[in-house]
Amino acid sequence: AQTVTQSQPEMSVQEAETVTLSCTYDTSESDYYLFWYKQPPSRQMILVIRQEAYKQQNATENRFSVNFQKAAKSFSLKISDSQLGDAAMYFCAYRRGDDKIIFGKGTRLHILP
Amino acid sequence: DAGVIQSPRHEVTEMGQEVTLRCKPISGHNSLFWYRQTMMRGLELLIYFNNNVPIDDSGMPEDRFSAKMPNASFSTLKIQPSEPRDSAVYFCASSPQQGANEQFFGPGTRLTVL
Repeated sequence: AQTVTQSQPEMSVQEAETVTLSCTYDTSESDYYLFWYKQPPSRQMILVIRQEAYKQQNATENRFSVNFQKAAKSFSLKISDSQLGDAAMYFCAYRRGDDKIIFGKGTRLHILP
Repeated sequence: DAGVIQSPRHEVTEMGQEVTLRCKPISGHNSLFWYRQTMMRGLELLIYFNNNVPIDDSGMPEDRFSAKMPNASFSTLKIQPSEPRDSAVYFCASSPQQGANEQFFGPGTRLTVL
């Protein structure tokens, strides 16, 4: 069965610094999608970034980028130039095709002013 | 696009009462998901539908929970009878069956059972 593991329950980073959130997953599939979702205090789940497993190039969205290591089944999120608005719970997620999405337990990110 | 719509946004009820949560997915999306989020258990998938058909309900905690999707634009999650341990935030999400594969979440319903 597929699993998603986020080993850091909480992290803190100074404003304007860079932080990396870790995620590993377990699957026997070769074609799938990976996501990072952000959940701020408003509770709204917001997609931050996605990665198709067949693409070797790491996805980037402005200050957010991923380090996708398919062989290692690792999918970390890097946030550059951290801002106060980045404070949130971050969930790593895996989905194969039309199947259900599997979420990790989340990492709570604190931004220190 | 209005996004995924959930109602009510907040619900406070007494133990033993029936609770019905509602969801309108994004038009054109074929998959719909119900999640429950608590501090203790995190985000749990309760059930999901593809083309209005329930595919996996293994996350539904017990027979007190039921979900329906009578058409492509509406789904309900019902708890009868409700218990205090059902207090949580319930999210509905939808996704297109093809293409993007990401899920779009509604704002959630915060349920409090007294």
